[in-house]
Amino acid sequence: GALVYQYPRRTICKSGTSMRMECQAVGFQATSVAWYRQSPQKTFELIALSTVNSAIKYEQNFTQEKFPISHPNLSFSSMTVLNAYLEDRGLYLCGAREGGWDEQYFGPGTRLTVL
Amino acid sequence: AQSVTQPDARVTVSEGASLQLRCKYSYSGTPYLFWYVQYPRQGLQLLLKYYSGDPVVQGVNGFEAEFIKSNSSFHLRKASVHWSDSAVYFCAVSATGNYKYVFGAGTRLKVIA
Repeated sequence: GALVYQYPRRTICKSGTSMRMECQAVGFQATSVAWYRQSPQKTFELIALSTVNSAIKYEQNFTQEKFPISHPNLSFSSMTVLNAYLEDRGLYLCGAREGGWDEQYFGPGTRLTVL
Repeated sequence: AQSVTQPDARVTVSEGASLQLRCKYSYSGTPYLFWYVQYPRQGLQLLLKYYSGDPVVQGVNGFEAEFIKSNSSFHLRKASVHWSDSAVYFCAVSATGNYKYVFGAGTRLKVIA
C-alpha cells in the first residue's frame, strides 16, 4: 500500500531559529508533493506544491525565502521553516501523489512548537 | 478557483443517533471530493472520496456521502454514531488536473452518551 511518513512528528524550536521537516513516500512514486499548514484552531492551508522536474509553486502568503522546499527524487521531500516565529506554529502535513492520480496520501504531520 | 464551506463548526449528537455533516463546494467543473477525519493530535485520515459514478459513496467505519451536483453538496452521513467518532471532520475539493486540495474549515463532532 501507499504510505507517507513524516519526520519528526513533533519538534520545538526557539523563536528566530530554523527547523527542517521531512516527508517520505513508500509504496508509490511521489511525483508531486504538497505541503500544508494547520495553524491552531484552523483548517489546512496549502503552502506550496512541488513536482519533480518542475518549479515549486508557492501559494500567496508563503514564499521560498521562508519555506524552502527540496524534492530531489520520487520518494523524498523536505521543507524548512526559516526564522520561525509564533505564527509559524502548527501541524505541517505533506500530501504526496503519483502521476495522474488525483488522490493525495497524507503523512501524520510534523507538529511545530515555537518558544 | 474552488472553495469549500462547512457551515457547522461544532455538532453534538448522542451515541447511537444518526449524523449528517454538511459540506458545500464551489467549482465550475467536475470536482473531486473528499472527507477526512482528524483525531486529536493526529494527521488526516481519508474517510471516503468521490471521483465519478454512483453519487453515493461508501467509506470506512460506516460513513457514506452523497454528491448532489445540483446543490453543490457532499454531505457526510452515518446511521449510528459511536463515541469514538468524536473528532474533527474536513471536507476537501480538488479540481480535475489541479493538484491543490482546498479544505473546509472543519466540523468538530462530539458524541455524548
